[in-house]
Amino acid sequence: DAGVIQSPRHEVTEMGQEVTLRCKPISGHNSLFWYRQTMMRGLELLIYFNNNVPIDDSGMPEDRFSAKMPNASFSTLKIQPSEPRDSAVYFCASSWGTGQGADTQYFGPGTRLTVL
Amino acid sequence: SQQGEEDPQALSIQEGENATMNCSYKTSINNLQWYRQNSGRGLVHLILIRSNEREKHSGRLRVTLDTSKKSSSLLITASRAADTASYFCATGLISNTGKLIFGQGTTLQVKP
Repeated sequence: DAGVIQSPRHEVTEMGQEVTLRCKPISGHNSLFWYRQTMMRGLELLIYFNNNVPIDDSGMPEDRFSAKMPNASFSTLKIQPSEPRDSAVYFCASSWGTGQGADTQYFGPGTRLTVL
Repeated sequence: SQQGEEDPQALSIQEGENATMNCSYKTSINNLQWYRQNSGRGLVHLILIRSNEREKHSGRLRVTLDTSKKSSSLLITASRAADTASYFCATGLISNTGKLIFGQGTTLQVKP
């Protein structure tokens, strides 16, 4: 298996532009997670999906952030409009949820976002 | 504050020495997991210990869990330069079926 795939790996954009990050989870996994990592705040869970349905989006910073999972093999995280404080590394992770507590998560390589 | 807090924040040792990292948490858990992150990479799962387990081994890794003290430790024996990375504990809460709460991590440097 190729593992969790994220694209792009690096994104540099200007303030006010729309940014779309993409994730392909491991085939067969039924849970997908979006995280943001910064030096100041560490690793933060933004949102997670189970069976393509958003379960917990309490970590989404504000309305500028949105996430979708139209099918089991694809998810997007969109920031519109982007701001310099959104600069971070964004990770996608997937897991096979047994419904009996948090399961092992498999992380993608991350997208390093820089907003100028 | 963070559910998982790790100690120390940074650790520097010589190759061959053992490295111990600690994690404390606040609320009841279903399981606790440890992950490693090499610089510029994603996190990689190392080991999972369930709330009814006290100790678990995997190769050179030994994890303990003390639910009465709400703490866990990760021991890496006979460390190697390749073990240089950040190590995170993550707690799976009883109240959530899939969510993990990550600590701030311990940065380990193993000098050759």
